[in-house]
Amino acid sequence: LAKTTQPISMDSYEGQEVNITCSHNNIATNDYITWYQQFPSQGPRFIIQGYKTKVTNEVASLFIPADRKSSTLSLPRVSLSDTAVYYCLVGDKTGGYQKVTFGTGTKLQVIP
Amino acid sequence: NAGVTQTPKFQVLKTGQSMTLQCAQDMNHEYMSWYRQDPGMGLRLIHYSVGAGITDQGEVPNGYNVSRSTTEDFPLRLLSAAPSQTSVYFCASRDRVHEQYFGPGTRLTVT
Repeated sequence: LAKTTQPISMDSYEGQEVNITCSHNNIATNDYITWYQQFPSQGPRFIIQGYKTKVTNEVASLFIPADRKSSTLSLPRVSLSDTAVYYCLVGDKTGGYQKVTFGTGTKLQVIP
Repeated sequence: NAGVTQTPKFQVLKTGQSMTLQCAQDMNHEYMSWYRQDPGMGLRLIHYSVGAGITDQGEVPNGYNVSRSTTEDFPLRLLSAAPSQTSVYFCASRDRVHEQYFGPGTRLTVT
């Protein structure tokens, strides 16, 4: 399983763009990069997934450089409701079930 | 769809007691998993299943049993509760294509 490294915490003011970077130096060829969001007292919720370059959905964008050894989750114009823990995971989707590892994640605090 | 449901929401056990945490999904997902989350920590995989009748161990399986007799249900049994099993337990399911859907969690306290 590819290990990931993320900042433990980040603070941001409302309305700003937030970028959370995840390092995954030993990512394998078949691995995808997935981000989850977890609010207090809730289960994690899928945000976005990508393999290379850029992926965008209605919630976030995911930037992956050519070497794929890192990725950046970008949240545009955050609000107080974006305060949560964000997890970066790396895993192979092509071979059936894959055990994934949730690290400690990045705790994002949005400040009014 | 109700998605992934878990019962109970809260439970207090005495050391040595046994109990079963229930998990059900109505999305016809093949894969189901149980995780535990200790305060300030990420989720750790306890057991998982890739289909009815097939289960396997995750990262922290000791003290827990699972079975998967139907596609929908994946109960987690605590055989003899210990204070170290005080945690929040999450059940998740997914199919081969999409990512995991998590239940709301069960908060377990063992005294």
